[in-house]
Amino acid sequence: DVKVTQSSRYLVKRTGEKVFLECVQDMDHENMFWYRQDPGLGLRLIYFSYDVKMKEKGDIPEGYSVSREKKERFSLILESASTNQTSMYLCASSPTTGAILNQPQHFGDGTRLSIL
Amino acid sequence: SQELEQSPQSLIVQEGKNLTINCTSSKTLYGLYWYKQKYGEGLIFLMMLQKGGEEKSHEKITAKLDEKKQQSSLHITASQPSHAGIYLCGADSGGTSYGKLTFGQGTILTVHP
Repeated sequence: DVKVTQSSRYLVKRTGEKVFLECVQDMDHENMFWYRQDPGLGLRLIYFSYDVKMKEKGDIPEGYSVSREKKERFSLILESASTNQTSMYLCASSPTTGAILNQPQHFGDGTRLSIL
Repeated sequence: SQELEQSPQSLIVQEGKNLTINCTSSKTLYGLYWYKQKYGEGLIFLMMLQKGGEEKSHEKITAKLDEKKQQSSLHITASQPSHAGIYLCGADSGGTSYGKLTFGQGTILTVHP
């Protein structure tokens, strides 16, 4: 089974701090994704990566950056945390198959981040 | 960009009842993915549909994709408390999208024993 591991289930940080959320997958997947999930807004894509050192902005990249130095690890960085970044953060990965239809994404358990 | 609308937004049923959740797309679906999420946890992949008219089942959950490939439904037969959670549909935009999916807002299902 695919395993996507997020470093923390719960995290509390202060406004202005630099925050790192880590995600590791063990299935050699090319694609990795960071989402945030808020009530009534569903899942919104922050950033994704389709290869090592490659990154693409999603729908809401402002205030975030990412790093992918190794294939298995995708980090989300909140440069200067603000209270409106309090949310549930979900990491996912999927393989690239070359087929037209994408393979399903596999998700981690999520990190509930509170910014005080 | 592709948008997905789920209905209803929430659903409360008595154990043993059947129910249906719908997912409607603003564009033709290349692929439609159904996920379940328990509160405060990650998403669990349920099923993937690709072809118009396709239907798949797993245990008491059946998902269908209509012929025009713009609407999908998720049907649960004889619901149980273990079915409770948030159900999300995700759409494949096709082409070279690097695995990106667009998700609906989710349907919150509560099953009373």
